[in-house]
Amino acid sequence: EPEVTQTPSHQVTQMGQEVILRCVPISNHLYFYWYRQILGQKVEFLVSFYNNEISEKSEIFDDQFSVERPDGSNFTLKIRSTKLEDSAMYFCASTWGGDSGYGYTFGSGTRLTVV
Amino acid sequence: RKEVEQDPGPFNVPEGATVAFNCTYSNSASQSFFWYRQDCRKEPKLLMSVYSSGNEDGRFTAQLNRASQYISLLIRDSKLSDSATYLCVADMEYGNKLVFGAGTILRVKS
Repeated sequence: EPEVTQTPSHQVTQMGQEVILRCVPISNHLYFYWYRQILGQKVEFLVSFYNNEISEKSEIFDDQFSVERPDGSNFTLKIRSTKLEDSAMYFCASTWGGDSGYGYTFGSGTRLTVV
Repeated sequence: RKEVEQDPGPFNVPEGATVAFNCTYSNSASQSFFWYRQDCRKEPKLLMSVYSSGNEDGRFTAQLNRASQYISLLIRDSKLSDSATYLCVADMEYGNKLVFGAGTILRVKS
């Protein structure tokens, strides 16, 4: 079964440092997303990406965040200057159809710990 | 009002029991609905999409009532392996944004 692959599985970084989280979506999917889940809380939407541009972003996704699809396979989330409250599990997801009736496939996540 | 609201549980049930989860959503314009399952510290995994006509997948039955803005999931003949958090999810903007409920914890015991 096709998978969404995320690396690294766990990253520890110092406050103020930049981090890049990497994702390889399913190859024929067209819509890509980042979500995050702070420990013990619900999954929250960060950003959606289609046709090489951001379609929608949440209030969480401020100027410290950016996304990029640098080539045909990778999809990255960059946090420029990490804060303690950025510590969370970050999930990448992709889907084939924009109307989402197909469901979304999530990667296994990157656990980001900011110290 | 929360966009997607679920009873957090936990629901503690014996093996073989039937258990039902409910969920309400606030945005009547929501297009698609899903139930996801999440194991501890793992990614959400799609359990099933939810349609107005109701849909069934083995021991799982999902139902959507758009008039009441209500979604349900029924699990029959619970297995130990069904123990997980069940997430009610609404697609708010034509595939651009999923909104998750906080999840309902299910513990199936022998």
